Amino acid sequence: GQQVMQIPQYQHVQEGEDFTTYCNSSTTLSNIQWYKQRPGGHPVFLIQLVKSGEVKKQKRLTFQFGEAKKNSSLHITATQTTDVGTYFCAGANHAGGTSYGKLTFGQGTILTVHP
Amino acid sequence: SAVISQKPSRDICQRGTSLTIQCQVDSQVTMMFWYRQQPGQSLTLIATANQGSEATYESGFVIDKFPISRPNLTFSTLTVSNLSPEDSSIYLCSVSFRLRANTEAFFGQGTRLTVV
Repeated sequence: GQQVMQIPQYQHVQEGEDFTTYCNSSTTLSNIQWYKQRPGGHPVFLIQLVKSGEVKKQKRLTFQFGEAKKNSSLHITATQTTDVGTYFCAGANHAGGTSYGKLTFGQGTILTVHP
Repeated sequence: SAVISQKPSRDICQRGTSLTIQCQVDSQVTMMFWYRQQPGQSLTLIATANQGSEATYESGFVIDKFPISRPNLTFSTLTVSNLSPEDSSIYLCSVSFRLRANTEAFFGQGTRLTVV
């Protein structure tokens, strides 16, 4: 079955430093989504990437989707303490048209930011 | 978007008993899913809740252990049966709208289950 690998598992940074997490899928994806989960909370949608080579930005966050639609990255510039949480990528594969909405989550990267 | 009410938010259960979790959505949704998140781990899809028919289970999950109901487009329940300590996890309801091919998922607040 489809697998989505995410690294690193943990990242500790000083406030103001940059942060990047990477995802790699075993299969070509229809889209990849990114979620943030605060401690004790539930995953909250950040963004969806659909097109090969797509790059999207949200303020200090930059998301990329690889040309082969199998890998993705999330980069945060100048981290803040409010960025603390676990960042998950989640891959969707709609081949055959029967899997809309089903997501395969990466293991997540736990980000801690030291003030 | 969707507002999802998931109940209970947490429970402590005796081994051998069952817990039923409810998921209520404020609008009709096409797709409803149940995930499990073990402590410090990622989310694993248990099943897709199909309206008016049997749920579709992922590998490693069976109906006898995780019976699911979905009587209409806004409501679903997940029962975790014959509880053991290994079932201690967070269970999450998720919905998405099949209005277009690529849509995000909305999650309930989760149910934190502890089995003692």
